[in-house]
Order: sequence, then structure tokens, then C-alpha cells
Amino acid sequence: KAGVTQTPRYLIKTRGQQVTLSCSPISGHRSVSWYQQTPGQGLQFLFEYFSETQRNKGNFPGRFSGRQFSNSRSEMNVSTLELGDSALYLCASSLRESGEQFFGPGTRLTVL
Amino acid sequence: QQQVKQSPQSLIVQKGGISIINCAYENTAFDYFPWYQQFPGKGPALLIAIRPDVSEKKEGRFTISFNKSAKQFSLHIMDSQPGDSATYFCAALNSGGSNYKLTFGKGTLLTVNP
Repeated sequence: KAGVTQTPRYLIKTRGQQVTLSCSPISGHRSVSWYQQTPGQGLQFLFEYFSETQRNKGNFPGRFSGRQFSNSRSEMNVSTLELGDSALYLCASSLRESGEQFFGPGTRLTVL
Repeated sequence: QQQVKQSPQSLIVQKGGISIINCAYENTAFDYFPWYQQFPGKGPALLIAIRPDVSEKKEGRFTISFNKSAKQFSLHIMDSQPGDSATYFCAALNSGGSNYKLTFGKGTLLTVNP
């Protein structure tokens, strides 16, 4: 079974731009969660989508948004990028009822 | 408020030794406690997990010990190998609630010397 895939793997943007990251979950998994990983703050939850609906949201500004498609693929968008948005963005897929979350390799975003 | 506290921040162990990483949680609604292993440039990989109805779970060289009354759990790596050198994260989740999200500890950088 293929694992979680994320594209692109690396991104370099400048302040004020916007960015869209993509995540394809494990086949059959309908829950997709997004996390931000930074050296200072560690792993922090952004939001979770299940059956195309946002079920849960972390403590991030409204510049961070996402969506999920009918095939469970998910995208997250960050608008008006700030230097502090530089991070590894991780997507995790789950069957939800099991609790197990499987992570993709992440997208490394650098904001200059 | 840090809901999952992890220690130590870093750990150096000799090959063949036992590595022990500890975590403590506050929220009694948590009912699923996974450990993740992360290598540089990679996403976290699910290593082993436990639910609070058991006190210990073993998979190969990895064992989780769980103390529900103390709200603590730990990861033991037996016969540690240089290939185990990585960052380890404990986490906690309320799997049945609407607040379905992993709350992570800050991580432990494990170095196993040959």
C-alpha cells in the first residue's frame, strides 16, 4: 500500500506571497491532518479534514486554510506569507477510529 | 500550556545499552499514546503505540510502559543500535472526541555511539 505523499517537497517563497501544499493520503483513509514543525515550537496541529469537512482547527491565524476533495486528497494554503511561516509542513492520514496517524515526508517551506 | 512533557531533550547511549525516554500528560481524556521516530529530512514514522487499558506493550526491541494513575508513559529501546539514532516524539490523542489531534512532546534527540 502506498504511503502518504506530499508535493512539492521543497518551496522557496518571498514575504507576502501565497502558497498551496498538497497531500494524498493512504488509500482508504478519509481523515487528513496537517501539522507545522519548527525547531522552536515543535510539532503543532493546524487542522483536520474528514469527509471533505474541517472537523478541528488549531491555534493558527486565518491565513492558514485548507480543504479536502472527494477522493480524500487535501490541500493547505497559506496567504500573505511571513518569515515565521518557514517550517516543515506535515500531512498525516488516518482511519480516524483507530487513532493511528501516518505522516508523509513533509513540504519544507522557506520564506525569504 | 504544554499538555505533554517529554524528557530528556537529548540522550547519548552506547551501542547495546538501554535508551529510556519519558513523557507525562495532563489531559485525562487522552486515550491513545503513540511514539514517533524521525530521521533528518523525513516525516515522523509511527513506532509503537499504547492505550491506557494496558500497562505495557512490546514490539521487538521497543517497549512502552504506561502508568495511568501517574499520567506518565515511557519508551524503552533495548539493545540500542547506531541506526536508532534519531529524534523521538511522544504524543497523545483523544481518539473518540471531536478534538481529534495529536499533541506532541518536544522531542528527544537520541545518539547511539558505536
